[in-house]
Amino acid sequence: DAGVIQSPRHEVTEMGQEVTLRCKPISGHNSLFWYRQTMMRGLELLIYFNNNVPIDDSGMPEDRFSAKMPNASFSTLKIQPSEPRDSAVYFCASSSAGWNTGELFFGEGSRLTVL
Amino acid sequence: DQQVKQNSPSLSVQEGRISILNCDYTNSMFDYFLWYKKYPAEGPTFLISISSIKDKNEDGRFTVFLNKSAKHLSLHIVPSQPGDSAVYFCASRNQAGTALIFGKGTTLSVSS
Repeated sequence: DAGVIQSPRHEVTEMGQEVTLRCKPISGHNSLFWYRQTMMRGLELLIYFNNNVPIDDSGMPEDRFSAKMPNASFSTLKIQPSEPRDSAVYFCASSSAGWNTGELFFGEGSRLTVL
Repeated sequence: DQQVKQNSPSLSVQEGRISILNCDYTNSMFDYFLWYKKYPAEGPTFLISISSIKDKNEDGRFTVFLNKSAKHLSLHIVPSQPGDSAVYFCASRNQAGTALIFGKGTTLSVSS
């Protein structure tokens, strides 16, 4: 069974460039999350979708960040323009309907470096 | 302000001994707690969880204890093995069930 698939695994870009991170959740999962990991702040929730609808985007740091989920099998996180402080590992996670377990399934992450 | 705190960035133990990882939370409305394990270059993976109506949950070598009055939970690993070396994240789910809130993580190193 395929897990959560993220691309690219690594991205190095220059300040001011647009960055697009992609995520394919586990088939059948109806909730999708974007998290960011940094040394200073640990794992932070950026945005959460349920049935393709954004439910909570209070963690999105600035207007430079945007996320979309056009269908149940694809989501993007876009940063435009990117800045060096955006350098982090970005994780996508998905979960199935219901919160009885609370378990999220994470992808392997996209490591972003902004020079 | 952090709602889930892991105050020890790192922990080192010898193989065969007990590892105890600690976590504190601030919101008494949290109803479900989880531990995740993360190896380098991989995503976090679910390890064990506990509901707020319980004070202990055990799964093999892993046991999670919850002290609601102290807003504290701990993960015990007995016996510790070198393969347990990883970053461990504590997470809480709020009652709205909208998300998991993670601590900063504790890096466990188990030496043989």
